[in-house]
Amino acid sequence: KAGVTQTPRYLIKTRGQQVTLSCSPISGHRSVSWYQQTPGQGLQFLFEYFSETQRNKGNFPGRFSGRQFSNSRSEMNVSTLELGDSALYLCASSGTNEKLFFGSGTQLSVL
Amino acid sequence: AQSVAQPEDQVNVAEGNPLTVKCTYSVSGNPYLFWYVQYPNRGLQFLLKYITGDNLVKGSYGFEAEFNKSQTSFHLKKPSALVSDSALYFCAVIGHGAGSYQLTFGKGTKLSVIP
Repeated sequence: KAGVTQTPRYLIKTRGQQVTLSCSPISGHRSVSWYQQTPGQGLQFLFEYFSETQRNKGNFPGRFSGRQFSNSRSEMNVSTLELGDSALYLCASSGTNEKLFFGSGTQLSVL
Repeated sequence: AQSVAQPEDQVNVAEGNPLTVKCTYSVSGNPYLFWYVQYPNRGLQFLLKYITGDNLVKGSYGFEAEFNKSQTSFHLKKPSALVSDSALYFCAVIGHGAGSYQLTFGKGTKLSVIP
């Protein structure tokens, strides 16, 4: 069974630009969550989607948004990038229980 | 609000010795507790979880964790450390009845196993 796939693996953007990250969950998983990982703040929850509906949202500004498609694939978008948005963005999927499977992440660098 | 504390930023242990990585939590209701491990430039890998039942939980790669409700702790242990266990370890919690799979993570503990 294929794992959680995140693309791209690395991204370099400049301040003010926007970016879209993609996540393909494990086949059959309907829940997709996004986390931001930075050396200073650690792992922080961004949002969770379940069957195309946002089920929960973390404490991030409105520049961070996401969506989930009918095939459970998910995207997150960050608009008007700031230097502080540089981070590893992790996607996780879950099936019928609370065990999360993580992808390898997208490393975003904002210059 | 739920929270997790990992009091040690780094733990050093000699190969073959037992290891312990500490975690305490704060949550309303009964907690769902997890340990994840992260290797360099990789995502997180699930090690084990506690939902209910036996306080000693066995997981992947020979790791186990002991749930202590009175001390609100969930320490990760392994009887004999391997150099390959060197990685970043995260404790996490989901509040019972949260209605979603939102994990709150500790800051992480870097484990170094010295040959």
